[in-house]
Amino acid sequence: DVKVTQSSRYLVKRTGEKVFLECVQDMDHENMFWYRQDPGLGLRLIYFSYDVKMKEKGDIPEGYSVSREKKERFSLILESASTNQTSMYLCASTRPQGLNTEAFFGQGTRLTVV
Amino acid sequence: RKEVEQDPGPFNVPEGATVAFNCTYSNSASQSFFWYRQDCRKEPKLLMSVYSSGNEDGRFTAQLNRASQYISLLIRDSKLSDSATYLCVVNRDKLIFGTGTRLQVFP
Repeated sequence: DVKVTQSSRYLVKRTGEKVFLECVQDMDHENMFWYRQDPGLGLRLIYFSYDVKMKEKGDIPEGYSVSREKKERFSLILESASTNQTSMYLCASTRPQGLNTEAFFGQGTRLTVV
Repeated sequence: RKEVEQDPGPFNVPEGATVAFNCTYSNSASQSFFWYRQDCRKEPKLLMSVYSSGNEDGRFTAQLNRASQYISLLIRDSKLSDSATYLCVVNRDKLIFGTGTRLQVFP
């Protein structure tokens, strides 16, 4: 069974803290993505990566960075957490872009910044 | 304007009803198209891909109109278990999600 695993389901952090969200996939997928999901706004792409040590900005990268040192692991970093980063964070992976590429998602991390 | 637009709903329908969702996309470079289903507090999961010729999977039928940049999903004989949010997704070298359409099927 294919699997994308996010390190935490629920996380509470204080304003100003550095936060690490980890994502690991066991499908040998090249592509990995980080989204955040907010009511009324849907899933918005933060960062993505097509290969190890490679990263591309998505639509809302401000306040975030990423790391992809190994193919199976893609980390999202909140450099200095703020309350407007309270959200559901979803990691996904796919095979290389092509027709009908299915995305597999992790279970999500619900982050609250207080 | 969002790149992928959907009516957020909610659509409240009785069991057995037929319901249709529509989605429009603005970037003609979009390469492939999908419908995902998301249950409350869960991650999205692929429902079906959408092909230009139209495709069917049991009670679900998806259509794509590239000229009008329009995607649809038809659900026939709705079940209580169909209650969920349905996300329209386009692939333009990265996956772009609509905000989702919420469906509630009642007995």
